Amino acid sequence: GAVVSQHPSRVICKSGTSVKIECRSLDFQATTMFWYRQFPKKSLMLMATSNEGSKATYEQGVEKDKFLINHASLTLSTLTVTSAHPEDSSFYICSARNQGYTEAFFGQGTRLTVV
Amino acid sequence: KNEVEQSPQNLTAQEGEFITINCSYSVGISALHWLQQHPGGGIVSLFMLSSGKKKHGRLIATINIQEKHSSLHITASHPRDSAVYICAALSMEYGNKLVFGAGTILRVKS
Repeated sequence: GAVVSQHPSRVICKSGTSVKIECRSLDFQATTMFWYRQFPKKSLMLMATSNEGSKATYEQGVEKDKFLINHASLTLSTLTVTSAHPEDSSFYICSARNQGYTEAFFGQGTRLTVV
Repeated sequence: KNEVEQSPQNLTAQEGEFITINCSYSVGISALHWLQQHPGGGIVSLFMLSSGKKKHGRLIATINIQEKHSSLHITASHPRDSAVYICAALSMEYGNKLVFGAGTILRVKS
């Protein structure tokens, strides 16, 4: 299957700082990328959908000013957690899909810990 | 009631056993995914299917569109199969977004 690379896999940051997570499609053009958050022992919760070159669409209850998503190219989307707080500590995972294909491929995920 | 329901929630098997995980959904779908999540967190897409049956190695996935039901089978299970298996429906009613089941935690003992 296609490869989606997510970086970093783990990050620890101090409260109040911002953290950027990258999601890259390595061997296909990702016209759409999805960002999910996963709480312990829970399933994935969709945060936002980003289409290349346009603004991300956020799910209800997700603060767009806190979770900044940029999808500037067909191979890269970034999620920036701004002014991080301990409650933002979680597992974040991206997936990418090419236009016309229904299959989505997932990154390895990022474990964020805010101290 | 969740739109995608999986059973069982937890499953412990002995190495070599045949395993079945079930998924029922109530939304209209264009496809259904079976995903595998290992303890490290990364997710691997095992199958995407919209009809019939697919096989890859020891894994088999089936779907019955009329009954809105899918199954994932693992033959000759092995401890390395231990993971969380997630059923996800690509839902037309949700703008072609994935709707996830709660996952099945599988542990295969040697």
